[in-house]
Amino acid sequence: SQTIHQWPATLVQPVGSPLSLECTVEGTSNPNLYWYRQAAGRGLQLLFYSVGIGQISSEVPQNLSASRPQDRQFILSSKKLLLSDSGFYLCAWRLTGSGGNEQFFGPGTRLTVL
Amino acid sequence: GQNIDQPTEMTATEGAIVQINCTYQTSGFNGLFWYQQHAGEAPTFLSYNVLDGLEEKGRFSSFLSRSKGYSYLLLKELQMKDSASYLCAVQGGGFKTIFGAGTRLFVKA
Repeated sequence: SQTIHQWPATLVQPVGSPLSLECTVEGTSNPNLYWYRQAAGRGLQLLFYSVGIGQISSEVPQNLSASRPQDRQFILSSKKLLLSDSGFYLCAWRLTGSGGNEQFFGPGTRLTVL
Repeated sequence: GQNIDQPTEMTATEGAIVQINCTYQTSGFNGLFWYQQHAGEAPTFLSYNVLDGLEEKGRFSSFLSRSKGYSYLLLKELQMKDSASYLCAVQGGGFKTIFGAGTRLFVKA
């Protein structure tokens, strides 16, 4: 069966500090991978998605970046965090190929920037 | 542009039926999803519609009208544990899925 891991679960960082959030998927190959951010009481904002190793598409201009160094590893980074980067960060995967496949979400990382 | 609209909040009584509506405007359409999200947790998949009509799955049903850009999620025999946010999401062209802001459902005794 497939599982998706995210760490850390919670993080408190000062403004201007760097960030690295990691997501790994087990039990599937060549998944589509996604990073979302959810602000308090808001919907999911798509940040990045990847259809393969080294292939990253950015949806929103921001001070964040993403990388996919391995097939089942997706990393979200920032060199300098802003207050507005606070939120609930969710990694998700989906089977490649035909449409209609639901996304499976990791447990999320709750980031607070102070 | 791409837009998904759903009510912000709804309240219903335990044992009752509630319908959560969703309207969408997207470039391309490869299906509509409903997810449930409890506070502080990740969303979990509830239903998927790609053709017009009603899909029933236990106490939950989802309806789609592609010509109207409209869907609803119907929850029957409401239970307290159904208190959560319900997210409408549309898979447009390509690999992206666009999510609505979610509807917070409060189930009262």
